[in-house]
This record gives sequence, structure tokens and C-alpha cells, in this order.
Amino acid sequence: DGGITQSPKYLFRKEGQNVTLSCEQNLNHDAMYWYRQDPGQGLRLIYYSQIVNDFQKGDIAEGYSVSREKKESFPLTVTSAQKNPTAFYLCASSIGQGENSPLHFGNGTRLTVT
Amino acid sequence: KQEVTQIPAALSVPEGENLVLNCSFTDSAIYNLQWFRQDPGKGLTSLLLIQSSQREQTSGRLNASLDKSSGRSTLYIAASQPGDSATYLCAVSHNQAGTALIFGKGTTLSVSS
Repeated sequence: DGGITQSPKYLFRKEGQNVTLSCEQNLNHDAMYWYRQDPGQGLRLIYYSQIVNDFQKGDIAEGYSVSREKKESFPLTVTSAQKNPTAFYLCASSIGQGENSPLHFGNGTRLTVT
Repeated sequence: KQEVTQIPAALSVPEGENLVLNCSFTDSAIYNLQWFRQDPGKGLTSLLLIQSSQREQTSGRLNASLDKSSGRSTLYIAASQPGDSATYLCAVSHNQAGTALIFGKGTTLSVSS
């Protein structure tokens, strides 16, 4: 079955450590996205990539970094510079630009930093 | 800057009722509008996508409408069931960031049997 796989489902880290969240898709989609979801807030865009080897900052990119070396993979690194890293992180993909490009989501990674 | 608002934030109905969820947005220059469903602790599932040139889309018991000029969309759920209990989010794709979406905060629906 085609889809988006995020791993791990739960992640625990100590403050000051960098951590990388995995996102892999086998949908052959060009565009991939990282969102952050906090209680009582809507999803907020961290980074997105519309093509391999290219990515753009979203609304809340500070303290995060990404890479897009392969079409299938878009890992997100949460660095020690991110002030409030504890959140639910969602990866998504879509075919690309155009009016009929629904977003497909993974099941998320819940990151807890203490 | 585009803002997306969903009202109500929470809704409780008995099984069998027809219901309407509302979504409004401030910038009418959108590519499309999507409705999603999110179960607790899970990712989002796309329900319906309405292109900017369309007025509505239907899938089973779900019907979504779009009025770009007034910046509004509604999601109509017919004959609600307990399995419909979830959070429903709408999102618009706006011009500045291509296909990236701006989300509302969602409406949490509870359908009791």
C-alpha cells in the first residue's frame, strides 16, 4: 500500500540534544511538508520541499532543519535552538503544484523534550 | 496574511442528526480548500478537496461547499454516526506558498449513540 511512514511514533529527548524525525513516502509525490501541531492551535508549517534538493522555510522554521536528498525522504531535525520542541509533528506529501493536489499525511511523531 | 477560522470549536449531537461545520477564510485568492478528519493521536485524512473553480464536492454522506467571494466553506454530514466522532479541519491553499496549506484550528465532533 502506498503511503507516508513517520518514525518513531513516540520520541523522548533531553533538553539540549538534537533529534531527527523520519518521514518516508512511496507515493511518488514531488512535494513534502512538515507541520507542527500544538493543543488548541492549528497546524503550523515548519518547512516544505517541492522538489529534490530544494526546500523552503514555513512560518515557524527557527530551530529546525531539513534535507531533501531523495524524493522519498524528508527528515526533520529539531535542534537545541528550538525553544519549545515538545509537540506532535506531522509529515505530509502531495503530487505538487496545481489545483487538485490533496495532501496525504503520516500518522505523526509525538516528541517530548524534558 | 491568510487566516482560517472554524466555528464551532466543539459540537455534540445525537446519532442520526444532520449537521454543518463552518470554515471561513480572509483571503479569497486560493487554489483550493480541503477538509480533513483527525482521530485522536493520529494524522490527518483528506475527506474532500474543492478546487477554486468548483462550488461543491460530495463523498458518501459528506458534502462540502465553497463560496470564494464570501470566504466561506461548509461541511455537511448527513445522518451522523458515532464513528464520525473526530476533529474536522479545513485548510486553504493560498498563492504565496504554492501548495502549502493554512489550517483552521478544527471542530471537534462527538456523536452519541
